Amino acid sequence: EVQLVESGGGLVQPGGSLRLSCAASGFTVSGNYMSWVRQAPGKGLEWVSVIYSGGSTYYADSVKGRFTISRDNSKNTLYLQMNSLRAEDTAVYYCARSSFLDYWGQGTLVTVSS
Amino acid sequence: QSVLTQPPSASGTPGQRVTISCSGSSSNIGSNTVNWYQQLPGTAPKLLIYSNNQRPSGVPDRFSGSKSGTSASLAISGLQSEDEADYYCAAWDDSLNGPGVFGGGTKLTVL
Repeated sequence: EVQLVESGGGLVQPGGSLRLSCAASGFTVSGNYMSWVRQAPGKGLEWVSVIYSGGSTYYADSVKGRFTISRDNSKNTLYLQMNSLRAEDTAVYYCARSSFLDYWGQGTLVTVSS
Repeated sequence: QSVLTQPPSASGTPGQRVTISCSGSSSNIGSNTVNWYQQLPGTAPKLLIYSNNQRPSGVPDRFSGSKSGTSASLAISGLQSEDEADYYCAAWDDSLNGPGVFGGGTKLTVL
């Protein structure tokens, strides 16, 4: 059974850093496109970043240069390193599998506030 | 401002057929397939339609998708109260050198 479980969210001050994790089971992270999608409170979905099976990475302009997507094949886990956090990064962050985003995790809340 | 344009709201009565539109451009919908997601209140989004008109296993055939040029549509027939949710379209975009893009979402109300 495919499962995605995010962790690492929490309260952080503006300018701070946080690393989100997405533990996968039932498939291999390295063999799939893997994405991070976020949803600010009361707002729509924003596709933040994607890592291809070949390792190429892409970012939305809103996070480029501040966020880094990566994966650990031995742990079958996806990561999102978030630096220089801003208030507008406050959102629930979801990880999702494949180019279709066919499976999603339950999400982890990141709050950027002083 | 979302790259893909959806109406913010839609509504219908039980049993009715409703459609939700999604408008894009030649770099996204015009050259890539469209996916649709359903988000029930307080839950993660769920894939509803992929590759314009394909339903994942378990999705009722009341849900259907179509695409023409730079626009796409989601149709829901035999509307049920449990269909009340937010619906999002998404597509890859060849011009952005980034991940895919979403529509702003449509809140469907079952009257």
